[in-house]
Amino acid sequence: QVQLQESGPGLVKPSQTLSLTCTVSGGSISSGSYYWSWIRQPAGKGLEWIGRIYTSGSTNYNPSLKSRVTISVDTSKNEFSLKLSSVTAADTAVYYCARERWVQLIYRFDSWGQGTLVTVSS
Amino acid sequence: QSVLTQPPSASGTPGQRVTISCSGSSSNIGSNTVNWYQQLPGTAPKLLIYSDDQRPSGVPDRFSGSKSGTSASLAISGLQSEDEADYYCAAWDDSLNGWVFGGGTKLTVL
Repeated sequence: QVQLQESGPGLVKPSQTLSLTCTVSGGSISSGSYYWSWIRQPAGKGLEWIGRIYTSGSTNYNPSLKSRVTISVDTSKNEFSLKLSSVTAADTAVYYCARERWVQLIYRFDSWGQGTLVTVSS
Repeated sequence: QSVLTQPPSASGTPGQRVTISCSGSSSNIGSNTVNWYQQLPGTAPKLLIYSDDQRPSGVPDRFSGSKSGTSASLAISGLQSEDEADYYCAAWDDSLNGWVFGGGTKLTVL
């Protein structure tokens, strides 16, 4: 059973860069048929997809965040990472990493990390 | 404002059947399959329904999904207290080239 675990600073100052890592265990991040995504959820609000990466390094980003987001993968460490630059208080949220499984053109997020709260404040 | 539209709340009594709607457009629900996620209080979302109407193993058959045109629905029959949670629909959007979610529906079991 694959498990995902987010890690990174819980507090980031405005205008700085938020950096998070998702460590994958119980399976190889290089296995085919998976994308690896970041999703966030402000307190009391809904889910917002940030972006995803394939093990080849190919990425897709939410157009509303694209100018500030970089997602990368390190297959040797079995982890992928998120960088969000120029953060403001509006970026305060619980950040989830998730595995997106695709089989025969059917896609879904079938495994999620527990989430990590990132607060943007001086 | 979410790309997919869900009612903010729904409710029912134990044993009842409730449905939650999700409305989109031709670029998302109209051309791609819909997934539903259940988020219990204080936990990460969990896949409930995928590909419009498929249940992952372990999900009770009380939960069912359907889709017609640019709208989808989640139905929960035999409502139980443990079903009290937030429910989100999601679909890939071809115009945005990314995933979009509904705003979520908070289900209360009275």
